[in-house]
Amino acid sequence: DAGVTQSPTHLIKTRGQQVTLRCSPISGHKSVSWYQQVLGQGPQFIFQYYEKEERGRGNFPDRFSARQFPNYSSELNVNALLLGDSALYLCASSLQTGTINEKLFFGSGTQLSVL
Amino acid sequence: KNQVEQSPQSLIILEGKNCTLQCNYTVSPFSNLRWYKQDTGRGPVSLTIMTFSENTKSNGRYTATLDADTKQSSLHITASQLSDSASYICVVSATYALNFGKGTSLLVTP
Repeated sequence: DAGVTQSPTHLIKTRGQQVTLRCSPISGHKSVSWYQQVLGQGPQFIFQYYEKEERGRGNFPDRFSARQFPNYSSELNVNALLLGDSALYLCASSLQTGTINEKLFFGSGTQLSVL
Repeated sequence: KNQVEQSPQSLIILEGKNCTLQCNYTVSPFSNLRWYKQDTGRGPVSLTIMTFSENTKSNGRYTATLDADTKQSSLHITASQLSDSASYICVVSATYALNFGKGTSLLVTP
């Protein structure tokens, strides 16, 4: 079975533009969460979705939004890009809500560079 | 404020040696504590998950310990291999949010 897949792998944008990142969870997994990892730092939680509903949101501005589709894939949108949005964006999937003892499976990430 | 602090920031050891990485946290309410291994440019891979009642959990050469009273955890790597070179991240779960440490960068040299 394929693992968590993210696309694109790399992306270059300019300030003020908008970007959409995509994530396909492992087959059978219903929960998807998004994380931002700035170089040299640990990942920061952005969103969690379960059964197409937002279950959690981290401390990120409203420029960040996400959604989950009926097939459990997900998109992360970032509007009005800033230089500080340059980071590795990670998607993780789990069977359910991914909080108790569930193992999270991460994709390889999308490296976003904002110029 | 929920925080996860890891030490040391970086570590260099010789192949075959053991090492221990530390994690201190102030996260409430506590759900579980996880250790991940992250290779450069890749997503993290789960090593262990421990709940409040678990003191020790092993995964091959990796052994994690948890002291919920002092809010400390350690990850012990036995007989290190070159492939162990990576960043090791401590993650403490609270409800729906995961709180990540900055990681310890481990380099294993021949």
